[in-house]
Amino acid sequence: AQSVTQPDIHITVSEGASLELRCNYSYGATPYLFWYVQSPGQGLQLLLKYFSGDTLVQGIKGFEAEFKRSQSSFNLRKPSVHWSDAAEYFCAVGADSSASKIIFGSGTRLSIRP
Amino acid sequence: EPEVTQTPSHQVTQMGQEVILRCVPISNHLYFYWYRQILGQKVEFLVSFYNNEISEKSEIFDDQFSVERPDGSNFTLKIRSTKLEDSAMYFCASREARYEQYFGPGTRLTVT
Repeated sequence: AQSVTQPDIHITVSEGASLELRCNYSYGATPYLFWYVQSPGQGLQLLLKYFSGDTLVQGIKGFEAEFKRSQSSFNLRKPSVHWSDAAEYFCAVGADSSASKIIFGSGTRLSIRP
Repeated sequence: EPEVTQTPSHQVTQMGQEVILRCVPISNHLYFYWYRQILGQKVEFLVSFYNNEISEKSEIFDDQFSVERPDGSNFTLKIRSTKLEDSAMYFCASREARYEQYFGPGTRLTVT
């Protein structure tokens, strides 16, 4: 069965510092991988996605993620965080089939220290 | 840019009442979904819908839940007799054939 693990419940980084949010997935075939961001009381915004090809994917707001099949990981990175990046970040996995659902991780809450 | 819309943004209802949550998916999308997020928890899949029928449903999606695409544009989730534990944010999503799901802003359902 598909599953997603985000081992860090809450991370605090200083503004301007680099960020890495961890994500590990379990899936038997090549997964579709996503990172979504959710600000308090808001919906889910897609930051980036991996379907195939280059394992380093670029997203919006300066985020990137790297798919590492050998480690079953899809970690999210940003070289320099801004106060506006404070939010909940969800890693998610989907199957390569038309109606497939997305399975979400439990999320990592990011706080930014001024 | 096209987007998924949901109404209402917040619904308060009494336990045992029926509620209908409405979604307008992106117009050329073919696959439709409902997810829910209980406060402080992760987003959970409820049901997927394609070609006017349910493709997959989770164990959460019991007989109290139903979905419908009544008019070719709206996609609704009905809860027949709400329970306190149905209080959550409900997200609608839609998708083209092989691409990512686009989520709506959500409807916050509060059952009192």
